[in-house]
Amino acid sequence: GNSVTQMEGPVTLSEEAFLTINCTYTATGYPSLFWYVQYPGEGLQLLLKATKADDKGSNKGFEATYRKETTSFHLEKGSVQVSDSAVYFCALKIQGAQKLVFGQGTRLTINP
Amino acid sequence: EAGVAQSPRYKIIEKRQSVAFWCNPISGHATLYWYQQILGQGPKLLIQFQNNGVVDDSQLPKDRFSAERLKGVDSTLKIQPAKLEDSAVYLCASSPWSPAAEQFFGPGTRLTVL
Repeated sequence: GNSVTQMEGPVTLSEEAFLTINCTYTATGYPSLFWYVQYPGEGLQLLLKATKADDKGSNKGFEATYRKETTSFHLEKGSVQVSDSAVYFCALKIQGAQKLVFGQGTRLTINP
Repeated sequence: EAGVAQSPRYKIIEKRQSVAFWCNPISGHATLYWYQQILGQGPKLLIQFQNNGVVDDSQLPKDRFSAERLKGVDSTLKIQPAKLEDSAVYLCASSPWSPAAEQFFGPGTRLTVL
């Protein structure tokens, strides 16, 4: 079946630290990959996406590269800010379908 | 542009009671989704509508959950009777009809079943 496994949280970092949140997937077919973010009290928002192998998605200083050989889509940011504190979800969508399959989420807290 | 609207934002009920959630998608979006997000887990799709027809309801517990989208616009999700394990956030999302289209999520309804 199709599934997404994320790095266990919570993750706590200091401001300006380097961030990595690991995400690996299992999929039948050729998925598109996504990172969603959920800020406190708000709905899920698309952060970035990649639709084919070796694509790099980027937004707001965050990046993730679609690695087919390792079935991974790790989220990175070079210097985090307090405002990045949120829950981050990795997700996949199988080609031709619209349904999103989510990982369990990783709660990130950035301390000043 | 207005986002996806959901109500109520919070609901507390006792087990075996009934509850209904309402969702109004972004104008013009043909596809509407209901997801269940249990604490500590990622959202799980319950049902997907294309206009007023059901595309996928394979993970909807049909003995107690029902959903409708009668005029192809807003939608209602109902639970009858509720169980303790139904405590979760219920998310509504909408998108244009295209596999490549982005889904836009509402703020969710947090249900607590006592």
